[in-house]
Amino acid sequence: DIQMTQSPSSLSASVGDRVTITCRASQDISNYLAWYQQKPGKVPKLLIYAASTLQSGVPSRFSGSGSGTDFTLTISSLQPEDVATYYCQKYNGDSLFGGGTKVDIK
Amino acid sequence: QVQLQQRGAGLLKPSETLSLTCDVYGGSFSGYYWSWIRQPPGKGLEWIGEINHSGSTNYNPSLKSRVTISVDTSKNQLSLKMRSVTAADTAVYYCARGPTSSWYVVYWGQGTLVTVSS
Repeated sequence: DIQMTQSPSSLSASVGDRVTITCRASQDISNYLAWYQQKPGKVPKLLIYAASTLQSGVPSRFSGSGSGTDFTLTISSLQPEDVATYYCQKYNGDSLFGGGTKVDIK
Repeated sequence: QVQLQQRGAGLLKPSETLSLTCDVYGGSFSGYYWSWIRQPPGKGLEWIGEINHSGSTNYNPSLKSRVTISVDTSKNQLSLKMRSVTAADTAVYYCARGPTSSWYVVYWGQGTLVTVSS
């Protein structure tokens, strides 16, 4: 079975910092990788699909990269409204979510 | 504007059957890919299963024996049934819709907290 491993599980950064979250698949998933943002008490929101395509309406400070087994979500300049938990999802064949990365402000 | 409106019982006893319905408003039902996802309190997202416009389904192997996902295109409804629930099935359940021909999620239902307790 494919595993999706996100790291770190949590991070604390200052406003304006560049933040990087990684997601590793245990097998090649090509670019079938999405990223979601979930704020406390809210429904998840799609940020990125196909590993690097920004969903309409998502701020350009969010970007995704990678293919195969290693993927990255980058927030170029962390804003207070970015406090949330971020999840990756592989969606080829059976879907599977990563364990999540909780981001807060230092 | 696509809206997914969930309904169903929020409190179940162990061994009962969870039954949730997702009514779809504001967009075509056919042609899209549909999923159910859950989130136990304070934990991460767990994919339950999915169905496409032709009725083809995939289920999480750990839940497959207890889960049925179906669609009623005449009513624009997506349904989830999960048999023999236990306390471990306590979670917020979401219905979700992807784009055509892909399984990532663009639209989410509002979520339904299902609590399993004797």
